[in-house]
Amino acid sequence: DAGITQSPRHKVTETGTPVTLRCHQTENHRYMYWYRQDPGHGLRLIHYSYGVKDTDKGEVSDGYSVSRSKTEDFLLTLESATSSQTSVYFCAISDGHSYEQYFGPGTRLTVT
Amino acid sequence: KNQVEQSPQSLIILEGKNCTLQCNYTVSPFSNLRWYKQDTGRGPVSLTIMTFSENTKSNGRYTATLDADTKQSSLHITASQLSDSASYICVVSARTNTGKLIFGQGTTLQVKP
Repeated sequence: DAGITQSPRHKVTETGTPVTLRCHQTENHRYMYWYRQDPGHGLRLIHYSYGVKDTDKGEVSDGYSVSRSKTEDFLLTLESATSSQTSVYFCAISDGHSYEQYFGPGTRLTVT
Repeated sequence: KNQVEQSPQSLIILEGKNCTLQCNYTVSPFSNLRWYKQDTGRGPVSLTIMTFSENTKSNGRYTATLDADTKQSSLHITASQLSDSASYICVVSARTNTGKLIFGQGTTLQVKP
């Protein structure tokens, strides 16, 4: 998985609770991305980062926030989890020079 | 609207047989097209990436083709193995500042012994 780890790998939480997912990379890549994957949909971009403290919204950003205080870490926060946010979340990284995006192993989040 | 559509949704073949997966897209302006393989419970892994000027690219037993005029791509798998059982995702990148990726829903391939 190209030096990308995600934590936790599985989480069950209750509606209304805050949740933070972590993506950690050892590749020193500039770009980092958060996607969600749901049945019947392709992967959809939530937020991305193009450098430390530089982030922007993707197509499904409502209800999510992100932070990147170090090159190697990109955090995804659900301020108040809802059942519609039950999904598998993938982090990806890119160096911005090639077309490659490398994906992490994913985090399965269940909101009850 | 930028879209990527894949067919079939699912496919079952016998080990050793060949198969072809299809991808049609309406992304504009086009930058590149990628095929990813996603094993169950894992993240997607890149198989091939093709730009506008490339019409075929191989990676071992995987051969991807691109027809930029008809906006179609195919992924051909030769002499399938049990380990080819996975979801195959077609992804098209738009030629924008952010290089936005548009993902297809994937084709689930099952290879049976």
